[in-house]
Amino acid sequence: SAVISQKPSRDICQRGTSLTIQCQVDSQVTMMFWYRQQPGQSLTLIATANQGSEATYESGFVIDKFPISRPNLTFSTLTVSNMSPEDSSIYLCSVPGQGKNTEAFFGQGTRLTVV
Amino acid sequence: AQSVTQLGSHVSVSEGALVLLRCNYSSSVPPYLFWYVQYPNQGLQLLLKYTSAATLVKGINGFEAEFKKSETSFHLTKPSAHMSDAAEYFCAVSDRRGFKTIFGAGTRLFVKA
Repeated sequence: SAVISQKPSRDICQRGTSLTIQCQVDSQVTMMFWYRQQPGQSLTLIATANQGSEATYESGFVIDKFPISRPNLTFSTLTVSNMSPEDSSIYLCSVPGQGKNTEAFFGQGTRLTVV
Repeated sequence: AQSVTQLGSHVSVSEGALVLLRCNYSSSVPPYLFWYVQYPNQGLQLLLKYTSAATLVKGINGFEAEFKKSETSFHLTKPSAHMSDAAEYFCAVSDRRGFKTIFGAGTRLFVKA
């Protein structure tokens, strides 16, 4: 199984600022995924980050608001730009299953509060 | 495109009663299906998964789910609810090995004493 480390685990930010969330995986993976879980809601896929190419964004999410970097096969960052209170959510990094595991692996998430 | 529909945002059962959480999926290819549980202020925990082997899948904590292709369903059941089962449950689908998992809206389970 993959071990995913996310930083920071939580943060409180001022509106109008930006926060970059880091995701480190203990093995090389082609695809990494970023999800958002708004308070009391389900997980929504933001984008798929492939190493060596531009991230693919889901409907309703744009690169200007959520720029993603994927410099190598074990690391990715998600930036939440020009934040507003509506961006207060848990942001999770995920990688596909490996070996016998068909399910995706998830980091513990970054709990973001925008004030 | 894949999607998941969970019927009922809230389900309330008495302790000891049957738990039934409904999930219907849409997928153009044979799906992988999952049920996750999330306790308050905690991360996701995988309950069980279907990956085209047995259609009746047993998971942790006494939960099981049955894959019914004809009904495009993957309902989660537990014969006897326990107070500790109170949580949010998410049904999810992916089309390949963990690729792009899509989650349902979730069902919050309440267990009454």
